[in-house]
Order: sequence, then C-alpha cells, then structure tokens
Amino acid sequence: DIQMTQSPSSLSASVGDRVTITCQASQDISNYLNWYQQKPGKAPKLLIYDASNLETGVPSRFSGSGSGTDFTFTISSLQPEDIATYYCQQYDNLLRTFGQGTRLEIK
Amino acid sequence: EVQLVESGGGLVQPGGSLRLSCAASGFTFSSYWMSWVRQAPGKGLEWVANIKQDGSEKYYVDSVKGRFTISRDNAKNSLYLQMNSLRAEDTAVYYCARDLYGSLGHWGQGTLVTVSS
Repeated sequence: DIQMTQSPSSLSASVGDRVTITCQASQDISNYLNWYQQKPGKAPKLLIYDASNLETGVPSRFSGSGSGTDFTFTISSLQPEDIATYYCQQYDNLLRTFGQGTRLEIK
Repeated sequence: EVQLVESGGGLVQPGGSLRLSCAASGFTFSSYWMSWVRQAPGKGLEWVANIKQDGSEKYYVDSVKGRFTISRDNAKNSLYLQMNSLRAEDTAVYYCARDLYGSLGHWGQGTLVTVSS
C-alpha cells in the first residue's frame, strides 16, 4: 500500500506569511495527489486536485506543485480564515490514502 | 446542489454491528464512485472503502477487510456501510464522499460511531 508522509505535523505562522507543507509518497504516484482543508467540527474541503489544479471557488493564494513522490502545498499570504488542518491524499490506485495532517495556527 | 446526509451512527458494544446510510441528492448518484472516510476523535482522516458506480468493484483499507461491507442502491440514491465485529478503534466520525477520479469533492456532515461497553 502507498504511504503518505506529510510534514510538518503542526505549524505556527503570522498573517501575511508564506506557508509551505510537504507530502511525500512511498512510491511514484505521478500527479495523483489532492489537498484538503478541514476546520474544527466540519467536513474536509477539497482545495487542490491533480497536484496543482485549484478547485472552483478556492482563493488563488492556495497552490500546489510536484509530481512523482514529492509534493508541496503553499499558501502565499496567510489569512486568519486559513486556520485549519490540511491533508494530502493520494489516488494512484483504487485505494486512497491520506497524510497525517498539518495543523496550522496563527502566531 | 450536491447533498450527502449520513445517518445510522450511535453507541454500540464491542463485537456488535451497525449499518450506516448516506442519502445523496443534487446529482446523478449512479454516475459516481462513492467513498467512506472516517476520523477518530482528535485524529486524522482515514479512507475506509469505496464502491464503483454499479457496485461491481469494492475496495477497503486493510483494517476493516472482512468486517465492513460497502454497498449502494442506485434506485434509492443511497450508500451504505455495514460494520460488523466492531472494535474500540472503529470509534470515529464516518463521512460519505463523492469520489470523482480519486478526488473527494463533496462530503456529508458525518455520523459518529462510538464502540464502547
């Protein structure tokens, strides 16, 4: 099974900062990688699909890149409403796997 | 508007069974793969199972194989998860999600399953 290693597990940043989260797959998954945002008590929300495509309605400060085994998720200018936990998820095969999550806090 | 509404959660003893349901509306249910994802209290997301449009293919995470069964009724626009031999570690909020080529773009609000004596 494909394992996803996400880092860091938690991150504290200031409003306006550039924030980067990484996700590494245990084997080549091409660009079959999504990113989700989850706020407390809510269902996850899809932000980025196919590694770099922005879901409709998602602000352009969110972006994703990478292919193969190494992927990056970036918030270009952190906003207070971005406080949440972020997850990567692979779909290289018909099984799906999530990363462990990154809890993002405001400094 | 796409809507997914889970139901059937509750308190069950270890070794017991529970059947979750997910009612879908606002899209052509029979055209999409569907997934179940769970989240233990204070923990991360874990994909549990998915099912093809016509129910002919089903896949599970190793930890639930042989105990959980995913199914669907396209005539009723409904997804199900039959959970048997429940363990304490199955305690979680269970979400159903529409699965489009691996992207889970629409989720329900979740239903809580608590396995405890």
